[in-house]
Amino acid sequence: DARVTQTPRDKVTEMGQEVTMRCQPILGHNTVFWYRQTMMQGLELLAYFRNRAPLDDSGMPKDRFSAEMPDATLATLKIQPSEPRDSAVYFCASKAGGSYNEQFFGPGTRLTVL
Amino acid sequence: SQKIEQNSEALNIQEGKTATLTCNYTNYSPAYLQWYRQDPGRGPVFLLLIRENEKEKRKERLKVTFDTTLKQSLFHITASQPADSATYLCALGNYGQNFVFGPGTRLSVLP
Repeated sequence: DARVTQTPRDKVTEMGQEVTMRCQPILGHNTVFWYRQTMMQGLELLAYFRNRAPLDDSGMPKDRFSAEMPDATLATLKIQPSEPRDSAVYFCASKAGGSYNEQFFGPGTRLTVL
Repeated sequence: SQKIEQNSEALNIQEGKTATLTCNYTNYSPAYLQWYRQDPGRGPVFLLLIRENEKEKRKERLKVTFDTTLKQSLFHITASQPADSATYLCALGNYGQNFVFGPGTRLSVLP
């Protein structure tokens, strides 16, 4: 059955290194979201795209984070340079067009920055 | 700024009882509200949607109410089972506004 996939599932890196997380949304879904989840802050929206165009990235630290959709089947979230406070689980979600439609979440990427 | 609160961080109930979870919000005018379930190590999974002009929605053992005057949604699980143990998240949405999740309530159904 159709599902959102994310790679890698786990990533351990050292402070200052570049991290790239990838997401494959469900085929046909035109809206893609990136979230970050921590115990302290819960689930926070970082950025989202509709029809591959970035609509809102106000939740993302601009100086080190960037999000792109090179094509309809791939969304990327990059952190450069990474810092220990970036340690969290990063989720990608996608949904079909229409405001009320549910979001389908991927399994997440658990990032640990040492 | 927008704020969503969920009644408590954790809720313990006995199997067979009805679990009631609360979602309160401020500084937001949602067109709809969704409830999601999240199990450890997994992404949230959609359960129910209720729109601003709807008072109540049901799906099997689940019931959601939405009171835009009180700015509150209640989520009920009747005849609860240990398999219902998970974290439940409410989320608000409106055209032109960011989709916002609450902090979640961790429900434990004790056998």
